[in-house]
Amino acid sequence: DTGVSQNPRHKITKRGQNVTFRCDPISEHNRLYWYRQTLGQGPEFLTYFQNEAQLEKSRLLSDRFSAERPKGSFSTLEIQRTEQGDSAMYLCASSLVGGRGYEQYFGPGTRLTVT
Amino acid sequence: DAKTTQPTSMDCAEGRAANLPCNHSTISGNEYVYWYRQIHSQGPQYIIHGLKNNETNEMASLIITEDRKSSTLILPHATLRDTAVYYCIVSNTAGGTSYGKLTFGQGTILTVHP
Repeated sequence: DTGVSQNPRHKITKRGQNVTFRCDPISEHNRLYWYRQTLGQGPEFLTYFQNEAQLEKSRLLSDRFSAERPKGSFSTLEIQRTEQGDSAMYLCASSLVGGRGYEQYFGPGTRLTVT
Repeated sequence: DAKTTQPTSMDCAEGRAANLPCNHSTISGNEYVYWYRQIHSQGPQYIIHGLKNNETNEMASLIITEDRKSSTLILPHATLRDTAVYYCIVSNTAGGTSYGKLTFGQGTILTVHP
C-alpha cells in the first residue's frame, strides 16, 4: 500500500498526559499537512511542512502542540498536557508541489479521546 | 482563500447522476476548485480539481462556469458507496511557500438511496 499511513489509529489518554502521533506520507510527496476534525465539522488546518521546513502554523496550534518532520520524511505531532478539548480526529495529508495543483491525499486519521 | 457555499444535504437514487452544486463567487484568478469527499470515519478522499476548464476523471466530472463563480460535481452513476460528505474547496495553489492548505466548510451530505 503506497498511501498515507497514520499510527496509532486510536488513542485514549487521560487528561494531562502527553501523546504523539506519527504520519508516513506517500514516499515522493514533499508536502505534509496536519488537520484536526471534531465531530460534525470539516477538517481544520493545523500546520504544514515542505520537506523538513514547517512553513505555516494555524493559531489553532497552541504551544502545547508541536510537529516535526525530520529529514523530510515521516512527521510526528505531539500534544503535551492533553485537555478534553483536544479530543478529535487528527488527519495527515501529503502532496507533491508543482504541476496543475496540489491535490492532497489523506491518511485514515488518528482518533484521540482524552478522558 | 475564497469561501464556498454548498447545500447542506442532497439525495440521489442509485444508478442516477448526482449533481452537487457549489458557489464560489469571490474566487480569484489563481484559485483552483477542489472537490473532496469523506465517508464516515475515514480520511477525506480527493476527487477532482480544476481551474477554468471542465475536468473529468475516473471518479467524476467537474463543470466550472465561464465566470468561475460556481461549479458542479457530477457523479455519473451514483452507487450506495458514494454516500458521503462532499466538500467543495477553493484554494490558491498557484505556487510559493504559503499556499496549498485546504479550508473545509460543512460540505454537502449526499445520500444515495437504493
